[in-house]
Amino acid sequence: DAKTTQPTSMDCAEGRAANLPCNHSTISGNEYVYWYRQIHSQGPQYIIHGLKNNETNEMASLIITEDRKSSTLILPHATLRDTAVYYCIVRVSGSARQLTFGSGTQLTVLP
Amino acid sequence: EAGVAQSPRYKIIEKRQSVAFWCNPISGHATLYWYQQILGQGPKLLIQFQNNGVVDDSQLPKDRFSAERLKGVDSTLKIQPAKLEDSAVYLCASSLNSNQPQHFGDGTRLSIL
Repeated sequence: DAKTTQPTSMDCAEGRAANLPCNHSTISGNEYVYWYRQIHSQGPQYIIHGLKNNETNEMASLIITEDRKSSTLILPHATLRDTAVYYCIVRVSGSARQLTFGSGTQLTVLP
Repeated sequence: EAGVAQSPRYKIIEKRQSVAFWCNPISGHATLYWYQQILGQGPKLLIQFQNNGVVDDSQLPKDRFSAERLKGVDSTLKIQPAKLEDSAVYLCASSLNSNQPQHFGDGTRLSIL
């Protein structure tokens, strides 16, 4: 699976949009971009995934660049409960291979 | 729907002792995973089951770790004997199949003295 690069930490003001970037310049054509987050003392939580089109669900939006070498997770109105480590993972969907977690981005939402 | 259940939530043992963790996945989920998460790092897969068969145990330290999912539902992970470096959170996850997102439990925090 392709490797991802994320900033170590980011801050965001409560109520504002949080934009979390991820670089995956070696992504292959059949690899999806997955986002998970992990709130302190909890297990990781699935957020969203996509292949090349932008995706939106009740939690977030995922914007993937046209060349698919980077993506941005957008939390439209961040709350204090969104403070967590966010993991960007690239993986072939349907593959029996596991998720390979990096170190992620620590997002802190400030009041 | 009920989430992935894990027990115990916390465990403290001395090195060289044995310990077991239990996981009950979401009902109907065929794929079950055990991950190890060391403080400050992302989770790392130990073993993956598809129903009651092992799909991937390449990163499981088989000299001391074992896992089973005998009836294809709940699963146990055992460490015997434990070493200091086994101190970590052990996470269980499940998915409908390997094509679907994984859902995680809150883990068991293991401390080795």
